[in-house]
Amino acid sequence: KAGVTQTPRYLIKTRGQQVTLSCSPISGHRSVSWYQQTPGQGLQFLFEYFSETQRNKGNFPGRFSGRQFSNSRSEMNVSTLELGDSALYLCASSFQGHTEAFFGQGTRLTVV
Amino acid sequence: QKEVEQDPGPLSVPEGAIVSLNCTYSNSAFQYFMWYRQYSRKGPELLMYTYSSGNKEDGRFTAQVDKSSKYISLFIRDSQPSDSATYLCAMSGGTNAGKSTFGDGTTLTVKP
Repeated sequence: KAGVTQTPRYLIKTRGQQVTLSCSPISGHRSVSWYQQTPGQGLQFLFEYFSETQRNKGNFPGRFSGRQFSNSRSEMNVSTLELGDSALYLCASSFQGHTEAFFGQGTRLTVV
Repeated sequence: QKEVEQDPGPLSVPEGAIVSLNCTYSNSAFQYFMWYRQYSRKGPELLMYTYSSGNKEDGRFTAQVDKSSKYISLFIRDSQPSDSATYLCAMSGGTNAGKSTFGDGTTLTVKP
């Protein structure tokens, strides 16, 4: 069974640009959650999608957005990048959202 | 105060030791309790998943949940150098579908 796949693995962007990250969940999983991980703040929840609907949202500015497609694949977009957005962005998939979640390897975003 | 507090590290033990990792939490709605292991520059890997109170054993790993005390633990028996990683506790439940709240992690080093 294939795991959670995130693309790209690494990204370098310039301040002010926008970026789109992709996550393909485990087959059969309908919930995809996104997290930001930084050394200072740890793992922080961004949002969760279930069956193409955003069910839950963390405390991040509106520059962070996402969506989920009918095949459960999800994308996350960050507009007007800031230096502080440099982080490891992780997505996790689970069957329903409350059960155990499996993480991808993450996308390491560096904003310069 | 954070919803999830994890014993700070780092923790260094000799090979073969029993390791105890602990977290406390304040949100009584949490029903699902997870332990993740994260190697450097990788995504978190789900180790143990427990629903509600009780113990769960998987090989050298034992997870304990005491909901009355809002306290969870992970025990590693016969620790190996390959167990050296950061261990994260995570919890979910209630109305926060798809959102897990993480501890800050404990970095463990097992010395040969």
